Amino acid sequence: DIQMTQSPSSLSASVGDRVTITCQASQDISNYLNWYQQKPGKAPKLLIYDASNLETGVPSRFSGSGSGTDFTFTISSLQPEDIATYYCQQYDNLPPITFGGGTKVEIK
Amino acid sequence: EVQLVESGGGLVQPGGSLRLSCAASGFTFSDHYMDWVRQAPGKGLEWVGRTRNKANSYTTEYAASVKGRFTISRDDSKNSLYLQMNSLKTEDTAVYYCASQMDVWGKGTTVTVSS
Repeated sequence: DIQMTQSPSSLSASVGDRVTITCQASQDISNYLNWYQQKPGKAPKLLIYDASNLETGVPSRFSGSGSGTDFTFTISSLQPEDIATYYCQQYDNLPPITFGGGTKVEIK
Repeated sequence: EVQLVESGGGLVQPGGSLRLSCAASGFTFSDHYMDWVRQAPGKGLEWVGRTRNKANSYTTEYAASVKGRFTISRDDSKNSLYLQMNSLKTEDTAVYYCASQMDVWGKGTTVTVSS
C-alpha cells in the first residue's frame, strides 16, 4: 500500500499568513493527488485535484504543487473561514486509496 | 445540483449487519465510479471501497480492513449505491460517506457498533 505522510499534523497561524502543508508519498504517484478541506461535522470538500488543479468555485488563495512523491498545499493568505482539517489523498494505485493523516489549521 | 444522500446508519451489536444506501441526483450516476469512505470518531479518513461503472464491468475494490465482510453494489436504474456490512466490529463505528469519483461527497450517515 502507498503511505501518505502529511505534515504538520496541526498549525496555528494569523489571518493573512501564508500556510503550507506537505504530503509525501511512499512511492511515485505521478500527479494522482487530491487535497480536501473538512470543517467540523461536515463532509470533506475537494479543493485541488491532480496535484495542482483548482476545483471549480474554490478561492484562488488555495493552490497545490508537486509530482512524484512530494507535494505541497498552500493557502496564500489565511482567512477565518479556512479553519478546518486538510487531507491529501492518493489515487494512483488502488486498492487502497489512501489519505494523509490530516493537518488541523487554527487561527493564532 | 449534484447531490448524494446517505441513509441506513444506526446502532448495531457486534456481529450484526447493516445496509447503507446512497441516493444520487444531479448527474449521470451510471457513468461514475462510486466510493465509500469512513471516519471513526476523532480520526482521519479511511477509504472503504469502490464500485466502477458499467463500462468497467462494475468491478469492485475493498480496503483490507473490510474485505470479505462488506459488499458494495449499485442500482443504476435507481441512481443508488449500497454498502452491505456484515460481521460488524466495534472498530467499524464511524461516519460513512459516499462519494462520486472522490469529488462530490454526501453528508454521511453514522454507524455505531456497540453492545
